[in-house]
Amino acid sequence: GESVGLHLPTLSVQEGDNSIINCAYSNSASDYFIWYKQESGKGPQFIIDIRSNMDKRQGQRVTVLLNKTVKHLSLQIAATQPGDSAVYFCAENPGNTGGFKTIFGAGTRLFVKA
Amino acid sequence: SAVISQKPSRDICQRGTSLTIQCQVDSQVTMMFWYRQQPGQSLTLIATANQGSEATYESGFVIDKFPISRPNLTFSTLTVSNMSPEDSSIYLCSARGGALVDTQYFGPGTRLTVL
Repeated sequence: GESVGLHLPTLSVQEGDNSIINCAYSNSASDYFIWYKQESGKGPQFIIDIRSNMDKRQGQRVTVLLNKTVKHLSLQIAATQPGDSAVYFCAENPGNTGGFKTIFGAGTRLFVKA
Repeated sequence: SAVISQKPSRDICQRGTSLTIQCQVDSQVTMMFWYRQQPGQSLTLIATANQGSEATYESGFVIDKFPISRPNLTFSTLTVSNMSPEDSSIYLCSARGGALVDTQYFGPGTRLTVL
């Protein structure tokens, strides 16, 4: 397998604050990146994606930033709510060199304090 | 979006036995994948299920241990063979392409415990 198996880092934020979750990806040839949210007992849920020809993309309350120079991806959640508590994974597609599979990063556990 | 269902949702099995997990997608998709997720960890890709041909396995996973079928564009199975306690994990089906375009969706997972 290619994913990193680590104990998940944790981010704790106050309800209403903004959250920033960071991710470092491994393959400079990756051309498509995705953020997933996984709640306990469920499969990962698609949040937002970005292609390598962009450096920013916005959705509803979420923004993804891509810095290809340092191979860094971040997910910003505005006005964090208790329902945002979950594990967040960044994932990358290696592009034509690696087929169409999606490789997951280590994940970050987000706790939202009421 | 897509609805991906898996059966069973969970099972407890004895070592040495085999379990087949079914995955059904509610639309035709180009690619289907199987992942494993150990408790508290990230997802590891087991293989890409190819319709009409043998699955493509990732490093560390072999066909004899994890045989995969994909008879059509909406259905796949993963078998965990000759199970040991180390196979206890969550197994997730995923799909992409076709009606889903580039977005990759996941099923709810199958929680397997091997005694």
